[in-house]
Amino acid sequence: DGGITQSPKYLFRKEGQNVTLSCEQNLNHDAMYWYRQDPGQGLRLIYYSQIVNDFQKGDIAEGYSVSREKKESFPLTVTSAQKNPTAFYLCASRTAGSSYEQYFGPGTRLTVT
Amino acid sequence: GQQLNQSPQSMFIQEGEDVSMNCTSSSIFNTWLWYKQDPGEGPVLLIALYKAGELTSNGRLTAQFGITRKDSFLNISASIPSDVGIYFCAGHLTGANSKLTFGKGITLSVRP
Repeated sequence: DGGITQSPKYLFRKEGQNVTLSCEQNLNHDAMYWYRQDPGQGLRLIYYSQIVNDFQKGDIAEGYSVSREKKESFPLTVTSAQKNPTAFYLCASRTAGSSYEQYFGPGTRLTVT
Repeated sequence: GQQLNQSPQSMFIQEGEDVSMNCTSSSIFNTWLWYKQDPGEGPVLLIALYKAGELTSNGRLTAQFGITRKDSFLNISASIPSDVGIYFCAGHLTGANSKLTFGKGITLSVRP
């Protein structure tokens, strides 16, 4: 089955630790995205990548880092510099071309205490 | 940044009723998308719209791309309990690279 996987579903970390969230897709999509979702909020874009080895900052990139070494994978690192890291993180992907439809993974809920 | 307006934040309907929700903006969009999110899960794409005036159905769901290109509407007919969730609209602005703008979502509750 084609799709987007995010692991783990739940992640717990102590304050001051960096943590990396996984996102893998086997849809052969070119573009990948990371969003953050807080209760009652819409989706806020953290980083996105349109091709391998290239990525751009979204609206709330501070305290986060990404890499895109393979087409299928777009891991997100939440660093200790992120002041309020507890949130629901969603990864999405999109094929190239004029379709702007993004398809989402199941999400990772990160709790930092 | 750009915002899409969805209101009210919550809607409560009786099972079997129809419900309409809209999404508005002060800017012109070239694509409108509607997503549904179940609690603790990722959003699922329901309908995509690409032309002004376009009306598209997906089962009991119907969505329209507004003529002014500044709004879109989603209608759910004959609601059932599994329609419960958060409904997001998203749009693509010309020149916005590959980024989407999202509304804050409407939480729909269906009373049996």
